[in-house]
Amino acid sequence: DAKTTQPNSMESNEEEPVHLPCNHSTISGTDYIHWYRQLPSQGPEYVIHGLTSNVNNRMASLAIAEDRKSSTLILHRATLRDAAVYYCILRDFDSGGGADGLTFGKGTHLIIQP
Amino acid sequence: GAVVSQHPSRVICKSGTSVKIECRSLDFQATTMFWYRQFPKQSLMLMATSNEGSKATYEQGVEKDKFLINHASLTLSTLTVTSAHPEDSSFYICSARDSASRRGAQYFGPGTRLLVL
Repeated sequence: DAKTTQPNSMESNEEEPVHLPCNHSTISGTDYIHWYRQLPSQGPEYVIHGLTSNVNNRMASLAIAEDRKSSTLILHRATLRDAAVYYCILRDFDSGGGADGLTFGKGTHLIIQP
Repeated sequence: GAVVSQHPSRVICKSGTSVKIECRSLDFQATTMFWYRQFPKQSLMLMATSNEGSKATYEQGVEKDKFLINHASLTLSTLTVTSAHPEDSSFYICSARDSASRRGAQYFGPGTRLLVL
């Protein structure tokens, strides 16, 4: 999987929007952009994924740059329960339909202030 | 949503003993499961890929004779840490790939914290 770059940590206030950036300048045409998050002492959970178009679900929105070299995970109204490490991961679905394990980088440690 | 369970959630054992960790997909079938290890303040590292009915595939640097993996059914994979030592103390996390999912959705278990004394 191609490499991604994320800030080590970010801080936000409760009930405010949070924009978590991810750079993936070496992304290939068949790489999907996935976001997972890991709450303290828990396993990761899937947040959202996309290929080219912006995506929305009940957890978050994913904004993908036109050249696909970067993306932003948007939490519209952060709560204390959103404090976690957020991982941006590229997955190539041409190689086995996503049958490979995930390669986790260091992620962004999101701190939410009450 | 899809649920993956792990048992036990935490275990403390003496050095030299073996510990078995179970990973179950509760409401879907998983021909492929993955085992990860996470040391404190570090990211998850993939240890091995577990395929139902066949041998596991181990990542470079992971000893297959020390970390025994068995995937005997479509909903259960086990990881046995043999002759555990203090350096094996870690957070072990499994994930299961939903065989019916087009996007190859992977769902993670809650993790097992192993402490070897």
